Amino acid sequence: KAGVTQTPRYLIKTRGQQVTLSCSPISGHRSVSWYQQTPGQGLQFLFEYFSETQRNKGNFPGRFSGRQFSNSRSEMNVSTLELGDSALYLCASSLEAGGSTDTQYFGPGTRLTVL
Amino acid sequence: AQSVTQLGSHVSVSEGALVLLRCNYSSSVPPYLFWYVQYPNQGLQLLLKYTSAATLVKGINGFEAEFKKSETSFHLTKPSAHMSDAAEYFCAVSVGTSYGKLTFGQGTILTVHP
Repeated sequence: KAGVTQTPRYLIKTRGQQVTLSCSPISGHRSVSWYQQTPGQGLQFLFEYFSETQRNKGNFPGRFSGRQFSNSRSEMNVSTLELGDSALYLCASSLEAGGSTDTQYFGPGTRLTVL
Repeated sequence: AQSVTQLGSHVSVSEGALVLLRCNYSSSVPPYLFWYVQYPNQGLQLLLKYTSAATLVKGINGFEAEFKKSETSFHLTKPSAHMSDAAEYFCAVSVGTSYGKLTFGQGTILTVHP
């Protein structure tokens, strides 16, 4: 089975722009979670989607949004980029995630640099 | 709310020596605990997870961890370190209503010396 894929792997943007990141989960997985990883704040949960519905959300401003499609693929969008948004954005998929024993399988991440 | 504390941001061992990475958690409800490893420029890979079935959990690459409720700990060990174990390790917790949210510790960078 193919793993979680994320595109693009690297991205450079300037302040004020917006960006869309894409995540394709493992085949059959219905839950997709997004995380932001920075040296200062570590790994922080952004949001989780299941069957096209956001079920959980972390403490991030409204500039961060996401969606999930009927084939479970997910996108996250960051509008009005700030320098502090520079980070590695990780996507993870799991079968259900309703039960928290589900294993989350992570993609390689998208490295976003904001100049 | 749940939280995780990893004691020691950097741990250095010699090849062949015992690896011990410490993790303490805080949760008001029974937790599920995970250890992930991250190699440079890669995502996270699951090493092992505790889901209340057994307190001693064996994972991949010779790693294991023991859940100790009285100490609220879930330390990761490996009897003999290998050069390929050099990476960053993350302890994480989730609870029954997490819905896809893992709460991570700050990570421990493991260095293995020849």
